[in-house]
Amino acid sequence: GAGVSQSPSNKVTEKGKDVELRCDPISGHTALYWYRQSLGQGLEFLIYFQGNSAPDKSGLPSDRFSAERTGGSVSTLTIQRTQQEDSAVYLCASSATGVFGYTFGSGTRLTVV
Amino acid sequence: AQTVTQSQPEMSVQEAETVTLSCTYDTSENNYYLFWYKQPPSRQMILVIRQEAYKQQNATENRFSVNFQKAAKSFSLKISDSQLGDTAMYFCAFTNSGAGSYQLTFGKGTKLSVIP
Repeated sequence: GAGVSQSPSNKVTEKGKDVELRCDPISGHTALYWYRQSLGQGLEFLIYFQGNSAPDKSGLPSDRFSAERTGGSVSTLTIQRTQQEDSAVYLCASSATGVFGYTFGSGTRLTVV
Repeated sequence: AQTVTQSQPEMSVQEAETVTLSCTYDTSENNYYLFWYKQPPSRQMILVIRQEAYKQQNATENRFSVNFQKAAKSFSLKISDSQLGDTAMYFCAFTNSGAGSYQLTFGKGTKLSVIP
């Protein structure tokens, strides 16, 4: 596609439910990142995928968060047993050329009620 | 750990005037990259300008320029001839060039309003 696509654009869920957020990167981009943007905060790194290498999960805040990337393309971020503090915008970015090639999606705004 | 600080939560500027957004960072690394990103209401982060730490010359992109002071660990953004479309959140970001993942560390942002 022409850009990084994220779905859904907005998601409202009840506390305790599981949610899945999807990221469809730019075709050919081998690197994929997830970031979280909480209200009034900058972006916080969550996880990084590069090709077939093991992902860098160092930014995941708890074991309720997990992510996978299938076939080196689409990625899904899963949050289990959602809590109110999980409410944030979740941004995905992909890159073909490392730090200079970041392209961000428009994010998913998650609201936990 | 690297940190990025933006000390101005909100700023405003008259259309056609010049405004400077501040950013300081803390790192023990010598080689790294610095960025300014713009986030309009659409939420998509858009790269405004970037600077390699090993380059002494300040980066410039049309109306946008930076003042990079490596010793002071300062990286301010100057927007000249401000336009209404410049209204957005602006984030300063850092990455260590030795980190294979190139994950970005962001400041908390400055909300810029351009007043007609």
